[in-house]
Amino acid sequence: DIVMTQSPLSLSVTPGEPASISCRSSQSLLHSDTYNHLDWYLQKPGQSPQLLIYLGSNRASGVPDRFSGSGSGTDFTLEISRVEAEDVGVYYCLQALQTPLTFGGGTKVEIK
Amino acid sequence: QIQLQESGPRLVKPSGTLSLTCGVSGGSISSDNWWSWVRQSPGKGLEWIGEIYHTGSTNYNPSLNSRVTISIDKSKNRFSLTLSSVTAADTAVYYCASYDTNGGYFFDYWGQGTLVTVSS
Repeated sequence: DIVMTQSPLSLSVTPGEPASISCRSSQSLLHSDTYNHLDWYLQKPGQSPQLLIYLGSNRASGVPDRFSGSGSGTDFTLEISRVEAEDVGVYYCLQALQTPLTFGGGTKVEIK
Repeated sequence: QIQLQESGPRLVKPSGTLSLTCGVSGGSISSDNWWSWVRQSPGKGLEWIGEIYHTGSTNYNPSLNSRVTISIDKSKNRFSLTLSSVTAADTAVYYCASYDTNGGYFFDYWGQGTLVTVSS
């Protein structure tokens, strides 16, 4: 199985400030189709996860442009340019390269 | 817009079988998606259980492989999960979700989740 490791475990951010979450995979997520099969999800309190970023850097429909994904191979980053109160929750990366699909352990984002 | 709704018993006895169904509305279960189950133990992260395609093809998490079965009922536009020989470690919120493989590879729609407790 591909192991996904996220850091930090938690983050406390002042509104308007940037935030960055790292995700590392135990093997490369670069597919022969030239895309990195890595997604980012946000699980807001009491809700189901929602898609933010797919294929490493593509924002899902309706996702604000303050969210961006980058990276390739085994190292990926989710960045929030200016954190807003509605961004609180737990962020997960997911490797979609092969089954079993595996999630990172999550990064909890709180507002200061 | 696709909507997913889990249903089934919320309490299962140890060594029993967990059975959940996911109703799909707003779209056809015969569309080009993989229909999936994901669970989340209390206070923990997300674990992929497995998936099924409308042809009946399945993939399961090897950690659960011998205990899990996912089936599909195209006539009722729904799919189901059974997990046998459950223990307290199977207590979790179970989500059904659709997995898109057309525009990318991602879970695009999720059910609200249902908490299943394994206890005598």
